[in-house]
Amino acid sequence: QKEVEQNSGPLSVPEGAIASLNCTYSDRGSQSFFWYRQYSGKSPELIMSIYSNGDKEDGRFTAQLNKASQYVSLLIRDSQPSDSATYLCAVNEGGGGGFKTIFGAGTRLFVKA
Amino acid sequence: EAGVAQSPRYKIIEKRQSVAFWCNPISGHATLYWYQQILGQGPKLLIQFQNNGVVDDSQLPKDRFSAERLKGVDSTLKIQPAKLEDSAVYLCASSLASSLAGDTQYFGPGTRLTVL
Repeated sequence: QKEVEQNSGPLSVPEGAIASLNCTYSDRGSQSFFWYRQYSGKSPELIMSIYSNGDKEDGRFTAQLNKASQYVSLLIRDSQPSDSATYLCAVNEGGGGGFKTIFGAGTRLFVKA
Repeated sequence: EAGVAQSPRYKIIEKRQSVAFWCNPISGHATLYWYQQILGQGPKLLIQFQNNGVVDDSQLPKDRFSAERLKGVDSTLKIQPAKLEDSAVYLCASSLASSLAGDTQYFGPGTRLTVL
């Protein structure tokens, strides 16, 4: 079973700070990488996807991918209390006829007002 | 656009009983996924359908779990008989197509199962 590893946290940052969330994956053939946010008692919602090496920015969120190091990260700038949630890293493995999504266990983020 | 619908939202059963969950994906989405999320863990893929065919069911405990997607739309997931360790949230998700590795998955609200 290929793995996706995340620090479970909790990660605590003050309001307005940058939150940095990290994820490593074991399958070198992985093609697509996602960050989902999951509030307590709710279902995951996609906040970022990234497919090629480098940075991808969307508002306060920046995803970073380094395929050589098998590492993907999410930066949240100007963190808000509403960003407090569990952040799930997900990796699509496979190819050809199809793929399978593997999720990490998630990192709990607390943003203190 | 209506999202992914699931029912029931909550279910409490005793071990060895059976239970079924229902999912209606977003209209036009070819791919449907069932995930199991145990408290404190990430979602684990149980089965993936493309239209009404199974793409992956390698992590489905086939001795007790079954799933079907008739007519390539709605899907049901059944557990028979249930065990204590089946207590989890069962998430259904759908995406437009599975041939695209970057296809966005949209999740339903989930069904929280408690097995006593």
